[in-house]
Amino acid sequence: KQEVTQIPAALSVPEGENLVLNCSFTDSAIYNLQWFRQDPGKGLTSLLLIQSSQREQTSGRLNASLDKSSGRSTLYIAASQPGDSATYLCAVRPDNQGGKLIFGQGTELSVKP
Amino acid sequence: GAVVSQHPSRVICKSGTSVKIECRSLDFQATTMFWYRQFPKQSLMLMATSNEGSKATYEQGVEKDKFLINHASLTLSTLTVTSAHPEDSSFYICSARDQGGLLYNEQFFGPGTRLTVL
Repeated sequence: KQEVTQIPAALSVPEGENLVLNCSFTDSAIYNLQWFRQDPGKGLTSLLLIQSSQREQTSGRLNASLDKSSGRSTLYIAASQPGDSATYLCAVRPDNQGGKLIFGQGTELSVKP
Repeated sequence: GAVVSQHPSRVICKSGTSVKIECRSLDFQATTMFWYRQFPKQSLMLMATSNEGSKATYEQGVEKDKFLINHASLTLSTLTVTSAHPEDSSFYICSARDQGGLLYNEQFFGPGTRLTVL
């Protein structure tokens, strides 16, 4: 059974810092991995999607890497800003399971001005 | 593009009543939609996979007679919580896959529906 774990559960940093969020999964048979952002009481915003054949994806100040064989992904946020404060969720799409996503518990990020 | 809407965004109901939540893909066709549930400070848990024109596939532990799913068109899926009780209070989020477009690998999420059962 696929399990997704995110570390740390919460993170507080001063504005301007570079930071790394970690995601690990137990079964390497994945189709892709996605990082999402969720603001309190809101839905999900997709940040980056990495196909299983890819190693990384970049969008602006965000960079996500994928090491499928070791079951790990990281989300790197450069020059953090208070507006980055949110919960970040990692989700894997297992192979051959109809497209459903398995989510981690999330990392709650707070960027202090 | 790739927008998913949900209605209502928030609903409060009395225990024992039924509540219907709609999930619509606004600018693409989705033969598959997913329904998730999120308790406070917890992650999303998949409840069921909704397939257009066929019965939904429920995850283990989810009561199909309590959470009725209908996916009657390529742009609309509904979740009906029947005989709701306070323990059903949660944040319900749907997602949809763009089956025919360049983004077919990706799931797009609705804004969620906050259900409170008194």
